[in-house]
Amino acid sequence: ELKVEQNPLFLSMQEGKNYTIYCNYSTTSDRLYWYRQDPGKSLESLFVLLSNGAVKQEGRLMASLDTKARLSTLHITAAVHDLSATYFCAVDSQGGSEKLVFGKGTKLTVNP
Amino acid sequence: GAGVSQSPSNKVTEKGKDVELRCDPISGHTALYWYRQSLGQGLEFLIYFQGNSAPDKSGLPSDRFSAERTGGSVSTLTIQRTQQEDSAVYLCASSPWGGASYEQYFGPGTRLTVT
Repeated sequence: ELKVEQNPLFLSMQEGKNYTIYCNYSTTSDRLYWYRQDPGKSLESLFVLLSNGAVKQEGRLMASLDTKARLSTLHITAAVHDLSATYFCAVDSQGGSEKLVFGKGTKLTVNP
Repeated sequence: GAGVSQSPSNKVTEKGKDVELRCDPISGHTALYWYRQSLGQGLEFLIYFQGNSAPDKSGLPSDRFSAERTGGSVSTLTIQRTQQEDSAVYLCASSPWGGASYEQYFGPGTRLTVT
């Protein structure tokens, strides 16, 4: 059974600081997704990582994937208040329905 | 273009009643998924439809839950004899399938409260 673990689950940081969110998963998968969720809102797609070594960047966020280590990271550079949200990683179960298995989410609070 | 839409956005029902939740996927998307998001369980897969294939129902928590997809487009998730533990946000997603990413696009969700 595919399991996805994120850490930390809660992250409070100051504006201007850097931090990394980690996502580990238990079985082989070549597709990993990062989503953002604002309170009371749905999931917004941030990144789709499709191969080992994939790196994608958008603004202050950068995501990477190491399929051999079964690890993805979401790095935040020089955080700003607008990045406050909950971030989920999800791994594609493959081999059939391609249903997503989600981590528990990391609630990020960026303090001014 | 139009994204995934869901209705109603909020539903309050009494324990024991049946409810129907609707999802309109993005036009042309052949894959449709239902997920549930609750405080205790996080985001859980419920059911998946792909074209005319038999749905993957492996995530449905009990036989009170069922879903159908008519004409390969609109889907309805039905919960019979609702219980308080059914209270959650029900999210629908669709995917174009066959693309490299199989990326899923989520709707705004239906918040279900069972009193």
